[in-house]
Amino acid sequence: ETGVTQSPTHLIKTRGQQVTLRCSSQSGHNTVSWYQQALGQGPQFIFQYYREEENGRGNFPPRFSGLQFPNYSSELNVNALELDDSALYLCASSLTLTGNYGYTFGSGTRLTVV
Amino acid sequence: DQQVKQNSPSLSVQEGRISILNCDYTNSMFDYFLWYKKYPAEGPTFLISISSIKDKNEDGRFTVFLNKSAKHLSLHIVPSQPGDSAVYFCAASVTGDGQNFVFGPGTRLSVLP
Repeated sequence: ETGVTQSPTHLIKTRGQQVTLRCSSQSGHNTVSWYQQALGQGPQFIFQYYREEENGRGNFPPRFSGLQFPNYSSELNVNALELDDSALYLCASSLTLTGNYGYTFGSGTRLTVV
Repeated sequence: DQQVKQNSPSLSVQEGRISILNCDYTNSMFDYFLWYKKYPAEGPTFLISISSIKDKNEDGRFTVFLNKSAKHLSLHIVPSQPGDSAVYFCAASVTGDGQNFVFGPGTRLSVLP
């Protein structure tokens, strides 16, 4: 049983560019959430997808968007990158919509915007 | 405005002793709490959870205590082992609210041999 895998592991982009981050959920998990973790802080909820539909969103602007595919893999897209978008982006999948058994996190994608 | 606070950025404990990590929250609607452990270059790993209908949950060396009136929870690790050295995040959620979790900033635990 594989865990959550994210790609790429590291990425450097220029301000104003667009980026797509990818995530493969743990087998059998139909819910995926994306988190942003800035340096020295805890993960901050971006949004959650359940069966290809957005199921909740945190306090992030519309230039942060996502997709979930029929095989439950997921993408996070960020347009018009800003310097403050530099962070570790974590994808987490869960077996239930409530996440009551905890999330399984990937190792993250470290995005640096210059 | 942090809804989940972990006021100790770091904690050092001798191997074999008890580690106590604390977490405070401000939102009285939170009814589900989890602890995650994170090693460098890895994603957070789920450790233990507690629902607001309980005041204690135990799993091996790990015990979480919840004091709803004080809006406080703590994670006890007994006995502490060097492999427990990691960053520990407390997280809280309101069941039914998109199931997103609000994380604290983390506490770095160092268990000294």
